[in-house]
Amino acid sequence: DAGITQSPRYKITETGRQVTLMCHQTWSHSYMFWYRQDLGHGLRLIYYSAAADITDKGEVPDGYVVSRSKTENFPLTLESATRSQTSVYFCASTENRGYGYTFGSGTRLTVV
Amino acid sequence: LAKTTQPISMDSYEGQEVNITCSHNNIATNDYITWYQQFPSQGPRFIIQGYKTKVTNEVASLFIPADRKSSTLSLPRVSLSDTAVYYCLVGGNAGGTSYGKLTFGQGTILTVHP
Repeated sequence: DAGITQSPRYKITETGRQVTLMCHQTWSHSYMFWYRQDLGHGLRLIYYSAAADITDKGEVPDGYVVSRSKTENFPLTLESATRSQTSVYFCASTENRGYGYTFGSGTRLTVV
Repeated sequence: LAKTTQPISMDSYEGQEVNITCSHNNIATNDYITWYQQFPSQGPRFIIQGYKTKVTNEVASLFIPADRKSSTLSLPRVSLSDTAVYYCLVGGNAGGTSYGKLTFGQGTILTVHP
């Protein structure tokens, strides 16, 4: 099916563990983004990518790592999860610079 | 980065037209204005985007005055299913380095009553 999918939908992990959130889009969009959404903070940009092998930091990149070896995938890794990283994570993509993003359904991550 | 200011919440009734205004006083010359809608437990959904004057699509209209320091999202004849959070974003400079750093504000919680 065409679209942008995130997995897992829900994840519980322990403090200190490494966890990877997956994002896959079928349109071959050049641009991909990771946001986190927390009550009181709205959506904040973590990392973004303009193409395969090109990534850059957003507003809140500390504690996160991204890679983009293939255009369609943009995984987000929490190297050592902390409770402050409990959040809902959204991935988005777009082809046209300046045009609207398409967001995935999100991953709800809880760090205990 | 241009900051946006929107009302925190708005109430309306089914069948009415809703206008949500967003202020963005320091918008840059090449910045777009984009609006998103978000339902609980879902990702934001693109509604409409404009640069100047008026843009209309099948779900909304976007009015942008000449000075571009504000914009108004107009939802005609809202229904209960339009209850959501609406975000105004400014950025997406196609020719510059600000692309990729679009900032979502707190948004406007629109509640449509029967």
